[in-house]
Amino acid sequence: DAGVIQSPRHEVTEMGQEVTLRCKPISGHNSLFWYRQTMMRGLELLIYFNNNVPIDDSGMPEDRFSAKMPNASFSTLKIQPSEPRDSAVYFCASSFQANYGYTFGSGTRLTVV
Amino acid sequence: GENVEQHPSTLSVQEGDSAVIKCTYSDSASNYFPWYKQELGKRPQLIIDIRSNVGEKKDQRIAVTLNKTAKHFSLHITETQPEDSAVYFCAVNSGTYKYIFGTGTRLKVLA
Repeated sequence: DAGVIQSPRHEVTEMGQEVTLRCKPISGHNSLFWYRQTMMRGLELLIYFNNNVPIDDSGMPEDRFSAKMPNASFSTLKIQPSEPRDSAVYFCASSFQANYGYTFGSGTRLTVV
Repeated sequence: GENVEQHPSTLSVQEGDSAVIKCTYSDSASNYFPWYKQELGKRPQLIIDIRSNVGEKKDQRIAVTLNKTAKHFSLHITETQPEDSAVYFCAVNSGTYKYIFGTGTRLKVLA
């Protein structure tokens, strides 16, 4: 298995532009998570899905952030419009069952200038 | 909701010495406690986990201990090596699928 696959690995965009991050979870995993990591705030859970359904999006910082999971093998996290304070590493993770460890993707390093 | 505190934030040890990182949590219903290692510029990776029906678990040079009464658990690394240098995160489950992560411990093993 190739693991959790995220794209792009790096994204540099101008303030106000739309940014779309993509994630392919491990086949057979039924839970998918989006995290944001910064030096100041550590690892923050933004949203998670179970069986493609959003379960908890309380971590999504603002209406500028949205996430979708149209099928079991693909999810997107969109920021529109982007702002410099959105600069961070965004990780996607998936898990097979409740209370089993996550497998993280390699992350997307987002820089908004 | 669940609250997780991790200490220390930084830790330097001499190669060959032991390192201990401690986390405390607040929700007595939590029952799964994983530890992740994150090397610079890389993804967090699960290195060991423990469930609430077990007090201790070992895997070669790493071990985790859990005290459910006191609501704390610790990561122990023995015979540290330079490749153990990384940031270590504890996590605690909150509900069925969600984890709350600690703030991380930057471990530096000095050769």
